[in-house]
Amino acid sequence: DAGITQSPRHKVTETGTPVTLRCHQTENHRYMYWYRQDPGHGLRLIHYSYGVKDTDKGEVSDGYSVSRSKTEDFLLTLESATSSQTSVYFCAISEGRQGARDTFGSGTRLTVV
Amino acid sequence: KNEVEQSPQNLTAQEGEFITINCSYSVGISALHWLQQHPGGGIVSLFMLSSGKKKHGRLIATINIQEKHSSLHITASHPRDSAVYICAVGSTGNQFYFGTGTSLTVIP
Repeated sequence: DAGITQSPRHKVTETGTPVTLRCHQTENHRYMYWYRQDPGHGLRLIHYSYGVKDTDKGEVSDGYSVSRSKTEDFLLTLESATSSQTSVYFCAISEGRQGARDTFGSGTRLTVV
Repeated sequence: KNEVEQSPQNLTAQEGEFITINCSYSVGISALHWLQQHPGGGIVSLFMLSSGKKKHGRLIATINIQEKHSSLHITASHPRDSAVYICAVGSTGNQFYFGTGTSLTVIP
């Protein structure tokens, strides 16, 4: 989607290896979010950021860490990937105000074998 | 407790039928989104609403702020409309809340 890019789009990794997913925006939005999508659960918040170096946990944050060293990039890291982290990961951005143009990324499909 | 409730969960329609998907929410919102996701695909934002009604081609989205309810309508449905439709609410607390989605199948 315009203004937001996720990379990689697909990744297969082995259990126990570290993995970093990247969300990059060109909209200069303050808020950035990482979600995972699993059958039967819908989209669930992992972590979010409300500014550079300001992050907070979501409902499924265990096993994940994030970093935001600059406005445009929000990184999601799996320090030691597990099979339960096989999922589709989505990034979203928001200005955090009414009428703002919130945008969703196209997703990263991660498979942990 | 789900902040966003969608109905129906699954919907099968004949090509040409008028389709309605409903979304109710319980949080204060900054905007409500209707999203479309094809199997194995990414999320596409169809509409972002904070009041009234929007129309794009055969798709219409409405929102009633007082009743905390939104509907997505598809007129003259087509098999290519088959997808999962997700209602997402951007809350005044700067969080997104998602419905579990409506899986739509349009049969030729």
